[in-house]
Amino acid sequence: DGGITQSPKYLFRKEGQNVTLSCEQNLNHDAMYWYRQDPGQGLRLIYYSQIVNDFQKGDIAEGYSVSREKKESFPLTVTSAQKNPTAFYLCASSTLAGVADTQYFGPGTRLTVL
Amino acid sequence: AQSVTQLDSQVPVFEEAPVELRCNYSSSVSVYLFWYVQYPNQGLQLLLKYLSGSTLVKGINGFEAEFNKSQTSFHLRKPSVHISDTAEYFCAVTPTSGTYKYIFGTGTRLKVLA
Repeated sequence: DGGITQSPKYLFRKEGQNVTLSCEQNLNHDAMYWYRQDPGQGLRLIYYSQIVNDFQKGDIAEGYSVSREKKESFPLTVTSAQKNPTAFYLCASSTLAGVADTQYFGPGTRLTVL
Repeated sequence: AQSVTQLDSQVPVFEEAPVELRCNYSSSVSVYLFWYVQYPNQGLQLLLKYLSGSTLVKGINGFEAEFNKSQTSFHLRKPSVHISDTAEYFCAVTPTSGTYKYIFGTGTRLKVLA
């Protein structure tokens, strides 16, 4: 089955800790995205990548970092610099065959800061 | 820059009644338009998208949407809803050229009542 997997489903972090959220896709998609979802605010773009070893900041990149060493993987690190990291994080991927390619989403990771 | 407005944060409707979820957008360039659905604690999945051609677009699960360029709207409709349609619905746009970024609205929570 092709798709996007995110792990873990739930993650708890103490203040001051860095945590890394995993995102893997076997759809052979070139582009991958990370979004943050907060109640009543919709989805906000954190980072995106269109090719291996390259990525761009989205609208709310501060306090986050990413890497794209493999086409299938796009992990997101939430650093201690992110002041309010409690949220639902969604990873997505798409082809780059055309600009209007559908984004396919993973099931999400819910991060809670204790 | 683009923006998407979903004015209704929540829409309650009785089962088998029709529903319309409103989406308006603002953009200085041409855009493609999308509707996604999110079930609780899950990722988003595509309902339908408008790229070009007929302004009435049919999607999955009996949903359809109409693109109105003069009113910059892309409202989602279903003639008869089911309990299983209870979910959050997101409207999104992406420019037709120059970027692969998607801009999402804040979502409308559809609650179907028995």
